[in-house]
Amino acid sequence: NAGVTQTPKFRVLKTGQSMTLLCAQDMNHEYMYWYRQDPGMGLRLIHYSVGEGTTAKGEVPDGYNVSRLKKQNFLLGLESAAPSQTSVYFCASSSGHTRLAGGNEQFFGPGTRLTVL
Amino acid sequence: QQQVKQSPQSLIVQKGGISIINCAYENTAFDYFPWYQQFPGKGPALLIAIRPDVSEKKEGRFTISFNKSAKQFSLHIMDSQPGDSATYFCAAKKDSGAGSYQLTFGKGTKLSVIP
Repeated sequence: NAGVTQTPKFRVLKTGQSMTLLCAQDMNHEYMYWYRQDPGMGLRLIHYSVGEGTTAKGEVPDGYNVSRLKKQNFLLGLESAAPSQTSVYFCASSSGHTRLAGGNEQFFGPGTRLTVL
Repeated sequence: QQQVKQSPQSLIVQKGGISIINCAYENTAFDYFPWYQQFPGKGPALLIAIRPDVSEKKEGRFTISFNKSAKQFSLHIMDSQPGDSATYFCAAKKDSGAGSYQLTFGKGTKLSVIP
């Protein structure tokens, strides 16, 4: 099993450009998440999904959109990139079965390092 | 509003020593407290987790101590090794109800274990 994979690994954008980050998981997890990680700020939740076709806003959703058309994929879009969106983006997934052993564990991908000039 | 406060920001420990990282939370509805370990260039990975019905959980050299009345929990790494050098994040979440999807993370502690 590959676990959680993310593409691309690195990307440089100019202000105003758009892009989509792809996350895929092969663990049949219901829940998927997008986080951003900035120095000294920890991990902050951007958007999340509790199942195919559903998405919701997290702590820092402005400037981002998401879609979950297939259970195994969760896409993060930046419509008009800004320098403030320079960050490392992590996707994660979890089973959602919080009362079962291991059900709370979130599995993270390797991250996408995005620079917006 | 920062619901999980983590300290220190950075920590240097000699090989064989004990590393201690502390976290405090505000939301009394939290009932799951994990620690994640992140190596440079990698995603975080679950290290160990605890629920508030126990005061301590040990897995190998890693121990979580939990103080429900003080709303604090800590990670102790015994016999610290250079391979433990990483960034550690504490987190908290609710098991059910509104917001139960969300892990709230501390800001992280960068641990360096020197030979």
